[in-house]
Amino acid sequence: QQQVKQSPQSLIVQKGGISIINCAYENTAFDYFPWYQQFPGKGPALLIAIRPDVSEKKEGRFTISFNKSAKQFSLHIMDSQPGDSATYFCAASRRWGSGGYNKLIFGAGTRLAVHP
Amino acid sequence: DAGITQSPRYKITETGRQVTLMCHQTWSHSYMFWYRQDLGHGLRLIYYSAAADITDKGEVPDGYVVSRSKTENFPLTLESATRSQTSVYFCASTERLAGVRPQDTQYFGPGTRLTVL
Repeated sequence: QQQVKQSPQSLIVQKGGISIINCAYENTAFDYFPWYQQFPGKGPALLIAIRPDVSEKKEGRFTISFNKSAKQFSLHIMDSQPGDSATYFCAASRRWGSGGYNKLIFGAGTRLAVHP
Repeated sequence: DAGITQSPRYKITETGRQVTLMCHQTWSHSYMFWYRQDLGHGLRLIYYSAAADITDKGEVPDGYVVSRSKTENFPLTLESATRSQTSVYFCASTERLAGVRPQDTQYFGPGTRLTVL
């Protein structure tokens, strides 16, 4: 099974609050878990990523928490700001294809709105 | 300008017509990808290319054709457009690291919104 399940579909947070988006996967062959951020009218852009050998990665206000045994990972946005309003996609990848390409499997996305 | 560009940004066509979406990148990245983005499905891989003249199918290749005669270009053709192909299409690219392993980060273009009537 190659699905990556993401929740919630949409999220409203007040400025200064914590935004939490969750993802779950089934394929234990996945070895790379990125989060992409997409603003309206733009393409997705890598926000932060983690590998399964660590349980947490923090970059500024953005933190990935990773639970290998539960096959779950989540994005936490601390002190959420209106400028964080965007759609967030989790993804997972594993080696696939003769060229060793890491095929990215995306979650369905979460639309985050941060209200002032 | 450097980066990855897509054209057109918006396209309306009719069922049965052939449509080609263009993708151009200036980084000389080895790998290029085409995704479609639909509500509730995230991004799904249509085709990818590991180098010029090397292409392979992704998750949802039916109804699409790709070619890659030059490293910097990766056009996507809908040979006979259907309403189910109404979507936003994203092109992406990434570099090849040592050996054949690609870089993990993919760089996306701005997208083409295609409507098939």
